[in-house]
Amino acid sequence: DTGVSQDPRHKITKRGQNVTFRCDPISEHNRLYWYRQTLGQGPEFLTYFQNEAQLEKSRLLSDRFSAERPKGSFSTLEIQRTEQGDSAMYLCASSPGGGQTDTQYFGPGTRLTVL
Amino acid sequence: TQLLEQSPQFLSIQEGENLTVYCNSSSVFSSLQWYRQEPGEGPVLLVTVVTGGEVKKLKRLTFQFGDARKDSSLHITAAQPGDTGLYLCAGASSGTYKYIFGTGTRLKVLA
Repeated sequence: DTGVSQDPRHKITKRGQNVTFRCDPISEHNRLYWYRQTLGQGPEFLTYFQNEAQLEKSRLLSDRFSAERPKGSFSTLEIQRTEQGDSAMYLCASSPGGGQTDTQYFGPGTRLTVL
Repeated sequence: TQLLEQSPQFLSIQEGENLTVYCNSSSVFSSLQWYRQEPGEGPVLLVTVVTGGEVKKLKRLTFQFGDARKDSSLHITAAQPGDTGLYLCAGASSGTYKYIFGTGTRLKVLA
């Protein structure tokens, strides 16, 4: 399967713990996006990368959130000192880049539950 | 803050019926996309529209981008149970690849 993969698929943690999620995009896709989705809502944009550069970051992202894409391939999203309000599905998407529009291919998501 | 509001929020219809889902904003978008998402999976792109007034058809699905590029609609003809899912619109402004997603329309088609 050459689609976008995310690991882990599920994560249960206690409030105050740190968690890290990984996203492996489709090979040679230049752009990588992170979104957060709560039950019954559409995905909320968190950040996106063009290769290894983080080009835009949502104001929704507090200082507790950080994302990296060190070699322009896989990406990690870390949440420090988790809070119950962080419970959500975290989606990653990648796109080839270039052109007027962007076709994003989404991974299956990581479901985070903060107890 | 850009917002995309979708209506209706929920829709339950019988197989064979037609339906229309709306996506509205006060902001202008350079492109607008429609996705379908099934439980436990990420959204899957259905179509991208970029020109005001553009109409695209995908089998029984017809997508339209408003003339002013602030709104869009998705019309499904003769709905089937396989059309069941969460339908999302997403728009991007000129000069950015940051996509704002709509609030979603959850469709259930009963056999």
